[in-house]
Amino acid sequence: AQTVTQSQPEMSVQEAETVTLSCTYDTSENNYYLFWYKQPPSRQMILVIRQEAYKQQNATENRFSVNFQKAAKSFSLKISDSQLGDTAMYFCAFMKPSFSGNTPLVFGKGTRLSVIA
Amino acid sequence: DTAVSQTPKYLVTQMGNDKSIKCEQNLGHDTMYWYKQDSKKFLKIMFSYNNKELIINETVPNRFSPKSPDKAHLNLHINSLELGDSAVYFCASSQDQLAGYGEQYFGPGTRLTVT
Repeated sequence: AQTVTQSQPEMSVQEAETVTLSCTYDTSENNYYLFWYKQPPSRQMILVIRQEAYKQQNATENRFSVNFQKAAKSFSLKISDSQLGDTAMYFCAFMKPSFSGNTPLVFGKGTRLSVIA
Repeated sequence: DTAVSQTPKYLVTQMGNDKSIKCEQNLGHDTMYWYKQDSKKFLKIMFSYNNKELIINETVPNRFSPKSPDKAHLNLHINSLELGDSAVYFCASSQDQLAGYGEQYFGPGTRLTVT
């Protein structure tokens, strides 16, 4: 079974600074998908960024980028120019591909990020 | 237009009651899910349906019964509610992985409080 570990329960960052959230995972699969989801106080789950394991290039979405290290099974999220609206819980998630319908996400326990003005 | 909707958003009820949560998606997705988020914010899969068929049923008490009348709807019925059922329940949907990333779109969640 796959497991996802987020070792930082809470983090804080000054507005406009850069912060990196850590995520490691354990799997015997060679191909899979990794995601970061954001959950603000509104509790809506919002997809931030995704990465396919067979792609070596790190994914980037505006101020959000990942550092994907497949051999180390590490998938960290970097937020540049942090904004107050980035304050949220951030979940790292793993998904195993399947040809018989989709498989569910396996989530880490989350990192609560606070952006300070 | 809301992609994945859930009703109700808040549900307060007493132990022993039976309640249902409804979920609808208008994205044309084939797979729908129910996740439970506990008081420590941990998210875990409960059920997964693909084209109205149950695919995944994690170790969830028999008091929880999902029903999918069509591929756009996945409802969750809970019998004999217990205090430990208090949580936020999320519905999600995704397109077939062969057609895309299989990323999942979540509903707004239903906060269930059992007193």
